[in-house]
Amino acid sequence: NAGVTQTPKFRILKIGQSMTLQCTQDMNHNYMYWYRQDPGMGLKLIYYSVGAGITDKGEVPNGYNVSRSTTEDFPLRLELAAPSQTSVYFCASRTETGNFAGELFFGEGSRLTVL
Amino acid sequence: SQKIEQNSEALNIQEGKTATLTCNYTNYSPAYLQWYRQDPGRGPVFLLLIRENEKEKRKERLKVTFDTTLKQSLFHITASQPADSATYLCALANSGYALNFGKGTSLLVTP
Repeated sequence: NAGVTQTPKFRILKIGQSMTLQCTQDMNHNYMYWYRQDPGMGLKLIYYSVGAGITDKGEVPNGYNVSRSTTEDFPLRLELAAPSQTSVYFCASRTETGNFAGELFFGEGSRLTVL
Repeated sequence: SQKIEQNSEALNIQEGKTATLTCNYTNYSPAYLQWYRQDPGRGPVFLLLIRENEKEKRKERLKVTFDTTLKQSLFHITASQPADSATYLCALANSGYALNFGKGTSLLVTP
């Protein structure tokens, strides 16, 4: 059981380049999330999705885009990379549990450096 | 503004002692609160969830309390072991879809 899989694990980008961070889960979870974590900081929500075709902005969406064409996949696109986007990116998913959010299952993270 | 505050200073304790970590929040009315563990270079891993109508929750050597009047949760690890050394994250949401996280508290258990 793979859980949440993120690729790539590491990437170095030049300023202005674009790239897509891939995230896939095999648990049939409807809810998926992208967080970023800067050193010494907590996780900040970038975007989330409550099902295929439905996405919404989190706390820090600027400079990012997402899509959700299938239940399994939730890619995060960085357009025109900037040094401020240097961070570790975590994808997470959870099942729907009524009024209470179930536990989040996280991927191992994608470490991005923009130079 | 909404805030989730955890002790920013690392907590160093001796093996066998009880570690107590604090999570305080403002401008939230959470239906539940969660605790996660994060090891260096890894994604967070869920530990415990406690609902607003629960005062205390236990799981093996872990205990969580939730005081909605004080707006505080305490996370205890009894009989701590060096393997418990990690960063512990508090997370909560008012309702619905997304969890917001504190910055985490680093715990170091020395033999």
